[in-house]
Amino acid sequence: DIQMTQSPSSLSASVGDRVTITCRASQGISNSLAWFQQKPGKAPKLLLYAASRLESGVPSRFSGSESGTDYTLTISSLQPEDFATYYCQQYYSTPRITFGPGTKVDIK
Amino acid sequence: QVQLVESGGGLVKPGGSLRLSCVASGFTFSDYYMSWIRQAPGKGLEWVSYISSSGSTIYYADSVKGRFTISRDNAKNSLYLQMNSLRGEDTAVYYCARDYGGSLGNWGQGTLVTVSS
Repeated sequence: DIQMTQSPSSLSASVGDRVTITCRASQGISNSLAWFQQKPGKAPKLLLYAASRLESGVPSRFSGSESGTDYTLTISSLQPEDFATYYCQQYYSTPRITFGPGTKVDIK
Repeated sequence: QVQLVESGGGLVKPGGSLRLSCVASGFTFSDYYMSWIRQAPGKGLEWVSYISSSGSTIYYADSVKGRFTISRDNAKNSLYLQMNSLRGEDTAVYYCARDYGGSLGNWGQGTLVTVSS
């Protein structure tokens, strides 16, 4: 199975901050990567797919990029509604998809 | 709009069985692959099972293989997960998700399965 790691596991930030979360795959996944946002008690919400494509309706302050086996989610200016846990997910080995362990973003 | 509604969760003793359902609306269910994903309390997301649009191709995570059975009824726009020989480590919220080549764009609200004596 393809293993996904994320860093950091948690971070504290303020409204307006630029936030970056990194996800690393154990092997090449050819941009077959999605990012999800999950709030407590809610289902995950798809933010980006194909590493950098924004899902319909997702604010443009969210963006994604790739460098080798490293993938980055950037929130350009953190908003109050962005405090949540973020997961990356590879689908290169679909249907045997795997998720990263998550990054919790909370208020500083 | 796309809607997925799970049901069937609850409290069950170790070794017991449970059948989860997921009813889909707002899209042509028979055109889409579907997956079950679970999340143990306070933990991350784990893929459980996948079924192709026709039901002819099925995959399971090693952790549930031989115990869980995924199925679908396209005439009823419904997805199922039969869970047998349940263990404590199966305790989780179970989500159904519409699978578009591995990209999971739509999820249900989840149903909680608790395995405890």
